[in-house]
Amino acid sequence: AQSVTQLDSHVSVSEGTPVLLRCNYSSSYSPSLFWYVQHPNKGLQLLLKYTSAATLVKGINGFEAEFKKSETSFHLTKPSAHMSDAAEYFCVVRDSSYKLIFGSGTRLLVRP
Amino acid sequence: EPEVTQTPSHQVTQMGQEVILRCVPISNHLYFYWYRQILGQKVEFLVSFYNNEISEKSEIFDDQFSVERPDGSNFTLKIRSTKLEDSAMYFCASSEPLQETQYFGPGTRLLVL
Repeated sequence: AQSVTQLDSHVSVSEGTPVLLRCNYSSSYSPSLFWYVQHPNKGLQLLLKYTSAATLVKGINGFEAEFKKSETSFHLTKPSAHMSDAAEYFCVVRDSSYKLIFGSGTRLLVRP
Repeated sequence: EPEVTQTPSHQVTQMGQEVILRCVPISNHLYFYWYRQILGQKVEFLVSFYNNEISEKSEIFDDQFSVERPDGSNFTLKIRSTKLEDSAMYFCASSEPLQETQYFGPGTRLLVL
């Protein structure tokens, strides 16, 4: 069965510093992986996705993620945090039946 | 940019009452989904729907739940007799044929008293 583990429930960074949100996956086959973001009182917005093409995936708002099969990881990064990045981030794996399996989420706090 | 919409944004109901949550998927999408997020917990899959029938459902999706596409544009989730534990944020999503990206609506926050 597919699963994802988000290693940090909360991450706090200063504005202008790098962001790293960690995610490890478990899959019996080559997975499709996603990062979604949820701003307060908003829906789930797709940041980026990996579907077996390039291992470094660029998303919206300057975010990117690298698929590392040897480490079963799909960490989300951004070189410089902005106040508007404060939100909850979900690492997600797609099941063979197309349903999405969500991680527990990481809340990103950006300090001025 | 097309988006998934959901109504109402918030609903408060009494235990035992029926509720219907509504979703308008993106117009050319053919796959539809409902997920829910109980406060403080993970987002969980409820059901997927394609070609006017359920493709897959989770253990949560028992006989109290049903889905329907009544008119070719709306996609609804009905809970026949709500329980306290049904209180959650309910998300609708849709995707194109053979595409993997699911686009989510803003959610309906359901509170059962």
